[in-house]
Order: sequence, then structure tokens, then C-alpha cells
Amino acid sequence: DVKVTQSSRYLVKRTGEKVFLECVQDMDHENMFWYRQDPGLGLRLIYFSYDVKMKEKGDIPEGYSVSREKKERFSLILESASTNQTSMYLCASSPAGVETQYFGPGTRLLVL
Amino acid sequence: GENVEQHPSTLSVQEGDSAVIKCTYSDSASNYFPWYKQELGKRPQLIIDIRSNVGEKKDQRIAVTLNKTAKHFSLHITETQPEDSAVYFCAALQTGNQFYFGTGTSLTVIP
Repeated sequence: DVKVTQSSRYLVKRTGEKVFLECVQDMDHENMFWYRQDPGLGLRLIYFSYDVKMKEKGDIPEGYSVSREKKERFSLILESASTNQTSMYLCASSPAGVETQYFGPGTRLLVL
Repeated sequence: GENVEQHPSTLSVQEGDSAVIKCTYSDSASNYFPWYKQELGKRPQLIIDIRSNVGEKKDQRIAVTLNKTAKHFSLHITETQPEDSAVYFCAALQTGNQFYFGTGTSLTVIP
């Protein structure tokens, strides 16, 4: 069974703080994704990665960066958190060439 | 880029009735259309999907139909049960493996 885990379920940070969200998958998937989920807007892609050390911008990359040093781990970084980054963040992974994405449980981030 | 619209945003049905959720997409190159179910406080999970070479797919009480010409696809749930209450998301896959998601439909099944 595919398992995608995220480091925190809930996180509260102050404006201007640097925030790290971690995602780990245990199924040797090549592809990993970071989304944010907001009411009425659905899921929007922030960044994705097809392989270690590779990253591609999604639709809303501004204010975010990512790191993929190991195949199983994909980190989302908020360099200087702002209140408009308060959201639910979902990580997902999929094998190369397979469309089905497996989601993590999500991290609900509140920026004060 | 792709634009996926989903309707309705909320839907309430009586237990045992059918529920239909519709999505439209803009990019004719999209060829894979999954539906995800997200229960309150849980992760989205794939419930059914369809590829562009198929017009309909069914799995027990759930079915998905695709009209490539009109660029829309629909989720049909028959004999709804309270445990079907959740938020449902459609998505369309563009080349390059990037999904575009609809804005979600909150389905409530009233016992």
C-alpha cells in the first residue's frame, strides 16, 4: 500500500518566518507534487519534480521553493511566510508514466 | 493552460437518490480524467478514472462518462449512502503529467 506522509498535520507560523514542509513517500515513486488547497479554488499545483534534484514550477510558484535531494523526500519551503500563504498543503506522488497520484494527509498551515 | 470547471459546488441529495457532478475542460489534448473523493479531514483518494479512448466506465455504484467532442465528463453516483458524503474533485491531465483540478463539489447525503 502506497504511503505518503507529511511532517506536520497542523502548523502555526509568524509572518516572515521560514517554513519547511516535508513530504516522504515509501514506494520509490519518481514523481512528487506540492499543491495548496483553498475553499472554492480546489487544488492548485505549486511545484513538482520528476526526479532527484529536478524541479518544475506549477501554476502558483511565487513565494515558494522546493528541494528534492533524495528520491523519497520532497520539501516545500516558504522563504518568508505571509498571511496569504495560510492554506492546506497537500503532497502527492506517482510512479513514472502512471497518472494516478497518491496524496499525503495534508498540512494545515496558519500564518499569523 | 488547461481550465477545468466543476459544477455544482454543493449538492444535497436524499439517501438512495442519484448524484451527478459535471466537469468541463478546455484543452482537447487532455486524455486522462480522474475523480477524487476527499472525506472531511482526510486525504483525496482516487475513486474512478477514465481515458479519452473510452466513453463510459462503471464501478459498482459509481460511473464516469466522457464526451470528448463537448469536452465534458461527469461523475454519477447511484443509490447514494451517507458515507458518500464528501468533497469530490475532478481533474484533467495535460501532457507533461500536470493535473488541473476542478474546484470541488461538496456532496451531502441526507439520511
